[in-house]
Amino acid sequence: DTGVSQNPRHKITKRGQNVTFRCDPISEHNRLYWYRQTLGQGPEFLTYFQNEAQLEKSRLLSDRFSAERPKGSFSTLEIQRTEQGDSAMYLCASSRTGNQPQHFGDGTRLSIL
Amino acid sequence: DQQVKQNSPSLSVQEGRISILNCDYTNSMFDYFLWYKKYPAEGPTFLISISSIKDKNEDGRFTVFLNKSAKHLSLHIVPSQPGDSAVYFCASTYYGGSQGNLIFGKGTKLSVKP
Repeated sequence: DTGVSQNPRHKITKRGQNVTFRCDPISEHNRLYWYRQTLGQGPEFLTYFQNEAQLEKSRLLSDRFSAERPKGSFSTLEIQRTEQGDSAMYLCASSRTGNQPQHFGDGTRLSIL
Repeated sequence: DQQVKQNSPSLSVQEGRISILNCDYTNSMFDYFLWYKKYPAEGPTFLISISSIKDKNEDGRFTVFLNKSAKHLSLHIVPSQPGDSAVYFCASTYYGGSQGNLIFGKGTKLSVKP
């Protein structure tokens, strides 16, 4: 296992711009999850995929957010028209099945100027 | 409404002694519980988990205890080492529905002093 890989590690952008993050899960992991973590809080669930199907979205995922996992391998998370409140660490995790522990990447830190 | 609570933001322990980290949950549907460790600038690392059908699970220096009636779990680290200094997150989920999205507490920062 090479681990969950996330790119970029840090993204700085101006308010109103669009940003896209990428996550490469551990190979053969069918489940892929996105979380967001802000200072002093634990990770908060955003959405998850079973292979290429997006099965659940949190109410935290506003319509400015969209996630895809087109071929059931890597995933992208896009935020349109970024706002100050979007500043956070965005974490990706994967698991072999829904009943296995999730393994996290090192995250992408988003800073909105 | 926090479903998973870690009421101690920080804990300081001497090297070689026991570290006990506590976690409470409110949702009686939760049936799987996990502990993660997080170093600065890294993602959470899975440590140990326990199913609601058990009350104890051990892995080396780490033991997790589950008290379902009290909706309480704890992580024991014995003996504590300076490298254990990190933020520890408790997480819970309902695997019976095969959903798997984790609900995390706010974390406890453990400092192990040499």
